[in-house]
Parts: sequence; structure tokens; C-alpha cells
Amino acid sequence: DGGITQSPKYLFRKEGQNVTLSCEQNLNHDAMYWYRQDPGQGLRLIYYSQIVNDFQKGDIAEGYSVSREKKESFPLTVTSAQKNPTAFYLCASSIEGTDSYGYTFGSGTRLTVV
Amino acid sequence: DAKTTQPTSMDCAEGRAANLPCNHSTISGNEYVYWYRQIHSQGPQYIIHGLKNNETNEMASLIITEDRKSSTLILPHATLRDTAVYYCIVRVLGSGTYKYIFGTGTRLKVLA
Repeated sequence: DGGITQSPKYLFRKEGQNVTLSCEQNLNHDAMYWYRQDPGQGLRLIYYSQIVNDFQKGDIAEGYSVSREKKESFPLTVTSAQKNPTAFYLCASSIEGTDSYGYTFGSGTRLTVV
Repeated sequence: DAKTTQPTSMDCAEGRAANLPCNHSTISGNEYVYWYRQIHSQGPQYIIHGLKNNETNEMASLIITEDRKSSTLILPHATLRDTAVYYCIVRVLGSGTYKYIFGTGTRLKVLA
């Protein structure tokens, strides 16, 4: 079955450390996205990528970095520059170039800074 | 920055129809309306989408007004498992690609 996989499900990080969240999809989707969700809030866009080796900042990119070396993979690094990294992180993918398909989401990674 | 407006919360009795409204008055002529729902601590789940005509699938029905400025998601026989946050979304063009801006959604509580 095709889908989008995020790992790990739970992640704990000490202050000052960088941490990388994994997102892999086997849907052959062109575009991939990272969202952040805080308690009781909607999703806010961090970064997105339309094609391999290209990505753009979303609304809250500061303190985060991404790479898109393969079509299937879009890892997100939460750096020590992110002041309040504790949140629920969601990865999504979609077919680029058409509005007739929506997003497929992963099950999320809950990051806690200890 | 969200292009949609939804009520913050709604209650619905189990077995009754749940009607969730959404205003999207700035929608463009070729933009789809999407509905997703998110059960606590999970990724959002696609429900349905539409452009002009009313749509129905195994999960829900989507009614879009003729002027396309609003829509209603209908869950015909709500169950306790339908308790979730429901997001109505249209896309936004930014930096050469389309993005979906999620608002805070409607928190639907189905009551036994």
C-alpha cells in the first residue's frame, strides 16, 4: 500500500541539540510539505518542496532546515536556533500541478524538548 | 492568512446529521474546496473535495452554494468516532506553487 511514513512517533531532545525528523513517501508524489501544530491550533507551514533539489520557506521557517535529495524523502531538521521547538510535526505530500488532488498526511512526530 | 472561516465548535447528537459550515468568500473560479478532519494526535484525514457541484462519497456530502462563497460538509449519521476537528481549506498561490492554509477548524463533538 502506498503511503507516507514519519518517524519517530515521539522524540525527545535536549536544549541546544539539533534533531532530524524523517518523512518518506512511496506515492510518487512530486510535492512534499512540513507543518507544525501547537496545542489547540491549526497547522502552520514550515517548508515545502515541489521537486527534487528545490524547496521554499513557508510561514515559520526560522530555526528549521530541510533537504530534498530524493523524490521519496523530505527530512526536517529542527536546529538549536528554533526557540520553541516542542510541537507536533506533520509531513504531507501531493501531486504537483493539479488542484484536483489534496494532501496525504503522515501520522506525525511529537517533539518534546527536555 | 486563512481564506476560510469556520465556527470554533459544534455539538451533534449521535445518529443525527452533522452540518459543518464554511465561508470562503474570496475563492477563485477554478479553486477547489477541501475538507479534512483530524482526530487527536493523528495526521489530518482527507474527507471530500469539490469545485462547483455537490459531491458525495462514503464518508460525507459536500454542498457548495451557487456563488461558491460558502459550503457545508454533511456527515449524515454522526457517530462518536466522528468527534474531531474539521478543516475547510482552499489553496493559496505563493512563490510559484499552491499551498493549503489551515485555519483552526471546527471542533465537532458527537454526543451519546
